[in-house]
Amino acid sequence: AQSVTQLGSHVSVSEGALVLLRCNYSSSVPPYLFWYVQYPNQGLQLLLKYTSAATLVKGINGFEAEFKKSETSFHLTKPSAHMSDAAEYFCAVTSGGATNKLIFGTGTLLAVQP
Amino acid sequence: KAGVTQTPRYLIKTRGQQVTLSCSPISGHRSVSWYQQTPGQGLQFLFEYFSETQKNKGNFPGRFSGRQFSNSRSEMNVSTLELGDSALYLCASSRDRGREQYFGPGTRLTVT
Repeated sequence: AQSVTQLGSHVSVSEGALVLLRCNYSSSVPPYLFWYVQYPNQGLQLLLKYTSAATLVKGINGFEAEFKKSETSFHLTKPSAHMSDAAEYFCAVTSGGATNKLIFGTGTLLAVQP
Repeated sequence: KAGVTQTPRYLIKTRGQQVTLSCSPISGHRSVSWYQQTPGQGLQFLFEYFSETQKNKGNFPGRFSGRQFSNSRSEMNVSTLELGDSALYLCASSRDRGREQYFGPGTRLTVT
């Protein structure tokens, strides 16, 4: 069985500060990992994905994530927060290329203070 | 290239009724998946379709059903609606299984 744990349901940072959103996964097979962002009243937008290639993955809007197998983590970072980054962020896992069934974490709501 | 479209965007139904939601994937995408999003349960997987075949089903009662057509468009149906079915229903498409999925804006279903 697969699962994802997102530590911190709410994270608040100042504009210009580092953004760090935590995601830990559990998977009995090599996982594919994803980060999605959801703005109010919208669907999910793919930020980045890890599919067993490079462990440091760069995504859109300046976000990146590092896959650490030893720590079963896939934390999302951005060096400098912008007001437009305020949204809810979801980490998700699938069991490699065999399925499209995404298992989502509970989400982290990011607030950016001016 | 147009994104995933879902119709209708908003829907209000009464308990006991049934509802059909529609999803048109990105052109060239053959896989469509459906998810339910609620404040209490979060994002939960409903179904996955590929080339008109259901490949995976989530842990939902039989009142929830779906299908995919030859043009990859998909519909999901919920019969005998309950108050707890009120949710945002999201559709996602991908070129193939195991590829990144792109989500539509969702259909907001309210059951009264």
